[in-house]
Parts: sequence; C-alpha cells; structure tokens
Amino acid sequence: AAGVIQSPRHLIKEKRETATLKCYPIPRHDTVYWYQQGPGQDPQFLISFYEKMQSDKGSIPDRFSAQQFSDYHSELNMSSLELGDSALYFCASSKGRSVLTEAFFGQGTRLTVV
Amino acid sequence: GNSVTQMEGPVTLSEEAFLTINCTYTATGYPSLFWYVQYPGEGLQLLLKATKADDKGSNKGFEATYRKETTSFHLEKGSVQVSDSAVYFCALSLSTSGTYKYIFGTGTRLKVLA
Repeated sequence: AAGVIQSPRHLIKEKRETATLKCYPIPRHDTVYWYQQGPGQDPQFLISFYEKMQSDKGSIPDRFSAQQFSDYHSELNMSSLELGDSALYFCASSKGRSVLTEAFFGQGTRLTVV
Repeated sequence: GNSVTQMEGPVTLSEEAFLTINCTYTATGYPSLFWYVQYPGEGLQLLLKATKADDKGSNKGFEATYRKETTSFHLEKGSVQVSDSAVYFCALSLSTSGTYKYIFGTGTRLKVLA
C-alpha cells in the first residue's frame, strides 16, 4: 500500500541557509500535518492543511512557511536556518476531518544545520 | 489545556516480561486515543487506537483501553520480545474550534533484553 513519502530523507544545511522539505500524502488523503521532533523529544506540531488551506498552526517559527498544493502535496520552507532547527521533520496525512481517523506518518526528513 | 502525559523511560524489561506503559490525558470534548511506535531511524507507525470510552484497541499482542473515568489509555503487553524495543508515543486527536490536531506525549523508550 502507498505510504506518505517525504523528501529528501536527509539534508545538511549551513546556518542562515534555506531548506525546502516535501511531503506527498497517501493518495486521496486531503489533510497534511507537519511535526518537528528534536533529539530525544516528542513530535511537536507545526502546521496542518486541509483541502489546500491552512487548518491549524502550532509552534512554527515565523522563519518557516508551508503550503499545500493542488495535488495535495505539501512543502515546508525554512529560511535563516539556525542550529536549533536540526531535527527530524515528520509529515503525516489523513483522510477527512475527523478525530476518528488516524494519521499516517512518513519516515521523516532529518535536517542537520551546521 | 489539552495534553498527554506518559511515564518516563527508559523502561528495561527481560524478554517475556509483562509490559505496562502509563498514559493519561487532558482534553476537552471527545478525543480519540492512539499509540504510535517508532523504531530506530523510522517514522511513527500506528500501533492501535480507540475512539470512544471503554473501547479496547489491540494489535500485535499490545492492548489499551480507553478509560474516560480515569482519563487513561495505558499500553499493555503480556510477553514482550526483543523486537518490541522502540519508543512508544501516546497521542490524542481532537477537534477544537473547527480545527483538528494530534497531541503527542513525550514518548517512552522500551528496551527488551534477551
């Protein structure tokens, strides 16, 4: 079965550079969530989209932006990178807006800022 | 506010021991409850879920019961294996003001020794 695809899997950037993370949800899933997981930390919610519109916003820095495109894939753009942005970034997708449906997670993009 | 609290790890057990990982939650409304498992270097995988009070989720020998009276969703397994070594996250999904989100606990690392 198709899963959530994230690219790239690993990314190394220098401070003050820009990074773009991509997420391709499971086909026919209309909701995308982005999470940031620091070393040894629990996943922290960044932002979510439903039907290409921003649905909810969590602890996402102003330096970050995201959008969901017409084909439902999503991109997380991160500018002026800081060392503290080094983390595993997860994308998850679900179908419909319901507390009953589980989110399916991608394998994550590991971002290292040096 | 809405939150999930898990017992701290690491939890170290011998093979075939009984496992309990405690999870309690605070939420408005009627959340669904989930356990996700994260193996080293991988994304979060849904282990089991329960969508209403007294529901029991089960999968791969793991069980958890949605206890509304104690706001708990403890994970149990009768006989753990080395391959169960991973980080386990308790999570809830809820709807607030028309938005939907997942809230995760801090994760509990399980180490099973042969």
